[in-house]
Amino acid sequence: AQSVTQLGSHVSVSEGALVLLRCNYSSSVPPYLFWYVQYPNQGLQLLLKYTSAATLVKGINGFEAEFKKSETSFHLTKPSAHMSDAAEYFCAVSHPNFNKFYFGSGTKLNVKP
Amino acid sequence: DVKVTQSSRYLVKRTGEKVFLECVQDMDHENMFWYRQDPGLGLRLIYFSYDVKMKEKGDIPEGYSVSREKKERFSLILESASTNQTSMYLCASSTSGTLYEQYFGPGTRLTVT
Repeated sequence: AQSVTQLGSHVSVSEGALVLLRCNYSSSVPPYLFWYVQYPNQGLQLLLKYTSAATLVKGINGFEAEFKKSETSFHLTKPSAHMSDAAEYFCAVSHPNFNKFYFGSGTKLNVKP
Repeated sequence: DVKVTQSSRYLVKRTGEKVFLECVQDMDHENMFWYRQDPGLGLRLIYFSYDVKMKEKGDIPEGYSVSREKKERFSLILESASTNQTSMYLCASSTSGTLYEQYFGPGTRLTVT
């Protein structure tokens, strides 16, 4: 079975500080992992995805994530937060059949001036 | 660019009404999905479809049905709306295969009074 746990429903950082959003997964098969971002009153937009190639994945807007099999983690980072990064972030793992996704409960990122 | 559109951004219905939410994608994707999004619960899959006239129950199908008569269109039906179905509804589509991300529409915020 697949599942995703996002630690911290709310994270607050200062502008220019490191962003770290945590995601742990469980999967009975090699996982495919995704991070999505949702801005207020919008749908979800893909930030990046891991599909068993390089373990360090770079995405849009300066975000990256590292797949660590030993820790079953796929944490999202950005070296320097910008005000425009304020949004909700979702980690997801895909199921091998029918591209079914399992989403975490989301982490709201607040960026303080 | 992939485009997923949803028929309404905001919808207010009365208890007991039949409600139709429509989703259209323009990229010839095989898979289409309906989720509901509630604070603290992330996205929960209601139904998905991997082909025309095919449907599979997701994690919370009770109180919902779906229809997919054409490849580009996937409808979510609330046969008799109830207040506990007040939520944000998100449609998504993807091509076949687990490597491929889901593309989301902007969402429909449904309020049942």
